[in-house]
Amino acid sequence: GENVEQHPSTLSVQEGDSAVIKCTYSDSASNYFPWYKQELGKRPQLIIDIRSNVGEKKDQRIAVTLNKTAKHFSLHITETQPEDSAVYFCASNAGGTSYGKLTFGQGTILTVHP
Amino acid sequence: SAVISQKPSRDICQRGTSLTIQCQVDSQVTMMFWYRQQPGQSLTLIATANQGSEATYESGFVIDKFPISRPNLTFSTLTVSNMSPEDSSIYLCSGRLAVSTDTQYFGPGTRLTVL
Repeated sequence: GENVEQHPSTLSVQEGDSAVIKCTYSDSASNYFPWYKQELGKRPQLIIDIRSNVGEKKDQRIAVTLNKTAKHFSLHITETQPEDSAVYFCASNAGGTSYGKLTFGQGTILTVHP
Repeated sequence: SAVISQKPSRDICQRGTSLTIQCQVDSQVTMMFWYRQQPGQSLTLIATANQGSEATYESGFVIDKFPISRPNLTFSTLTVSNMSPEDSSIYLCSGRLAVSTDTQYFGPGTRLTVL
């Protein structure tokens, strides 16, 4: 089955710095890669996603890049703010769109220090 | 986006009992899923809830332990049967709005503690 590896497990940055979280996947049929932010005690919230026909996508301070050949994708957060502190999960749709199910990475605890 | 609600939000149960969790979506979704998130861990897919037919379970999860129903396009239930302390976890449902999109939205989760 699909395996999604996520690094680092914890990331601590100063406010205003950039943060980068990386994931690799194993299933070449995967074609959709979302990123979720989960604050303590809350549900996972979709923050950005990318499909395999696109190499990069940006939404204000957040960007995601995808390298299909290497089977890895990354989340980039610029100008970090304390409210960005949360657990971030990457995921991929193992088997492609028809199956619909998501396989999640292990998560990254991001702490932004004021 | 879809608004997804779950009931109960949390419960404390005794070993050997069963709990049924409800998931309601405010719009018709093509696919619904149930995940488990153990404390401090990632999300693990339990099963895909299929409308009008048996759910599709992932490796390590069986119907006798986690029976699932989905009588229509906006509602599903997950039962955690014959509970043990190892079942203490957060259970989340999610929905996918359309066949053409992979986007999934999550419910708020049900925090289950088994004593």
